[in-house]
Amino acid sequence: AQKVTQAQTEISVVEKEDVTLDCVYETRDTTYYLFWYKQPPSGELVFLIRRNSFDEQNEISGRYSWNFQKSTSSFNFTITASQVVDSAVYFCALRVRYNTDKLIFGTGTRLQVFP
Amino acid sequence: DGGITQSPKYLFRKEGQNVTLSCEQNLNHDAMYWYRQDPGQGLRLIYYSQIVNDFQKGDIAEGYSVSREKKESFPLTVTSAQKNPTAFYLCASSIGEAGTALFSGNTIYFGEGSWLTVV
Repeated sequence: AQKVTQAQTEISVVEKEDVTLDCVYETRDTTYYLFWYKQPPSGELVFLIRRNSFDEQNEISGRYSWNFQKSTSSFNFTITASQVVDSAVYFCALRVRYNTDKLIFGTGTRLQVFP
Repeated sequence: DGGITQSPKYLFRKEGQNVTLSCEQNLNHDAMYWYRQDPGQGLRLIYYSQIVNDFQKGDIAEGYSVSREKKESFPLTVTSAQKNPTAFYLCASSIGEAGTALFSGNTIYFGEGSWLTVV
């Protein structure tokens, strides 16, 4: 079975703090893809990153960075110097080779950044 | 602009009524999806379609129906058989994986969503 766990339901930080959102996944498939999406208050899901299971290199995009560790089945997301505009719900998701037709989502982490 | 358009943004349904949510994409994607979002439960797959004139049930298809007569369009009907339809509905699309030997895990892109409330 496949599963994504985001244990942090809600996180509150003050602007300019760094914050890490945790994501732990479960799958027996050796080929899979991991994703992060952002859902601002307006509701749409905005794609942030896609990472395949064969590429464990960390990635940085501006203030965003992702740490993928197969040994711990984790794909954590860090926002450096957070801003109020980062306030949103963030979802981690998994797509596997033998169930290609859907994304398996975690329950999301609500991030509130206060000025 | 390229993207996925859902309408209406807000919809109210009376008990016993069927309602249809529209989803159109101009990304030339083969695959389209409908997800339902309830508070604290993430997103759950209702139906998906990998090609025109074909669609499959997802995890929570009961009380819903879809059609895929055109590549660009994938409307969702919430029928009176759906006992708890109040939710946020998201349509999505991606480059299809059907008929390909290589699994590419193509990114699934989402529309802006539709709020459905039963009154």
